[in-house]
Amino acid sequence: GQQLNQSPQSMFIQEGEDVSMNCTSSSIFNTWLWYKQDPGEGPVLLIALYKAGELTSNGRLTAQFGITRKDSFLNISASIPSDVGIYFCAGRLTSGTYKYIFGTGTRLKVLA
Amino acid sequence: NAGVTQTPKFQVLKTGQSMTLQCAQDMNHEYMSWYRQDPGMGLRLIHYSVGAGITDQGEVPNGYNVSRSTTEDFPLRLLSAAPSQTSVYFCASSYSGVSYNEQFFGPGTRLTVL
Repeated sequence: GQQLNQSPQSMFIQEGEDVSMNCTSSSIFNTWLWYKQDPGEGPVLLIALYKAGELTSNGRLTAQFGITRKDSFLNISASIPSDVGIYFCAGRLTSGTYKYIFGTGTRLKVLA
Repeated sequence: NAGVTQTPKFQVLKTGQSMTLQCAQDMNHEYMSWYRQDPGMGLRLIHYSVGAGITDQGEVPNGYNVSRSTTEDFPLRLLSAAPSQTSVYFCASSYSGVSYNEQFFGPGTRLTVL
């Protein structure tokens, strides 16, 4: 099945550092979503993007919809220990109905 | 609002048994879906529904059935459980409007098939 390429797969960072991750695809998407999943819980929506080039922030999180519509980026500034978790991107295909394709996730660990 | 609720939270089945995973939402969302999450693979779409009485297959539908008799409920049935169906199952819902379609997820059902 189709899945989005998400990188990096995992990362260890020091508290206070900035974090960047991205999702890429060979397909064009008309919606990008970024989720965070804590252990034993369902994914929680962080940011939604609807237009190519759109830049949206949610607190210390900033996400961008790539201008080619084939990628998206998530940045976390000044990371804190509670940022630990798995971050997923999800895209909705232009030609699809309401199907979302998910990335394989970026596992983030923050070292205090 | 309770959001998206799923029951049970944990389940152990023997090969060949059948069961139904329950999902309900109280947000009047038209769109509901079921995903399975396996280690290192992200979430894969099993079935989805764009409204009561309408369902369609996702990426990995084999071995699962769904129905949508009401807007609120979207149960997932395993007809004859197999070890390959050991996974974490998430239900999600959203509005179906063009520009407002973020999905909200339930807490998950952790299923083990022996």
